[in-house]
Amino acid sequence: QKEVEQNSGPLSVPEGAIASLNCTYSDRGSQSFFWYRQYSGKSPELIMSIYSNGDKEDGRFTAQLNKASQYVSLLIRDSQPSDSATYLCAVAHNTDKLIFGTGTRLQVFP
Amino acid sequence: DTGVSQNPRHKITKRGQNVTFRCDPISEHNRLYWYRQTLGQGPEFLTYFQNEAQLEKSRLLSDRFSAERPKGSFSTLEIQRTEQGDSAMYLCASSLEERVQFFGPGTRLTVL
Repeated sequence: QKEVEQNSGPLSVPEGAIASLNCTYSDRGSQSFFWYRQYSGKSPELIMSIYSNGDKEDGRFTAQLNKASQYVSLLIRDSQPSDSATYLCAVAHNTDKLIFGTGTRLQVFP
Repeated sequence: DTGVSQNPRHKITKRGQNVTFRCDPISEHNRLYWYRQTLGQGPEFLTYFQNEAQLEKSRLLSDRFSAERPKGSFSTLEIQRTEQGDSAMYLCASSLEERVQFFGPGTRLTVL
């Protein structure tokens, strides 16, 4: 079992729709959770961080964390073609090295 | 530009050669991380520094790899006797204490 698992996709959604990206992790001791966006050939760019159970909203993005289920998700409202990218879920343990999933490729079509 | 910078951006080398990459973190950040990313995978942790101290190294980091951060500012990652399997994007990130990590643009290494 991988430490951080994501569906590789692609996840295809129409422009204006809600995109829902999911991530599960295996280490119950994980303390910090991050979503990064990565365009092809570029480096990861931080979208959201979340540390406690519940929802955290920032503009069109909402991160959701459920530590009991070891599950973290990212919702993107009003999806735009410019949101088309790979979304990486990352988890930090007691040290703060990040463990990444393989990423979910999102395609937003006009 | 006050973000993380990395040089060179691209490096092509022949198998068996040594290569060195440099990372300059965001100026007030005391933690610096190195990751490696291959196509279709997420970044994999290699090592990290708090100030000049190297606090953790991944088991992925063979003895051909060495990293330094001599004055607690910039860092170098050296790969000796490169192999084709070393071809990857090498990413540097920095953070202030235990806060979020910001990534540089990466160095893409191709070993022929």
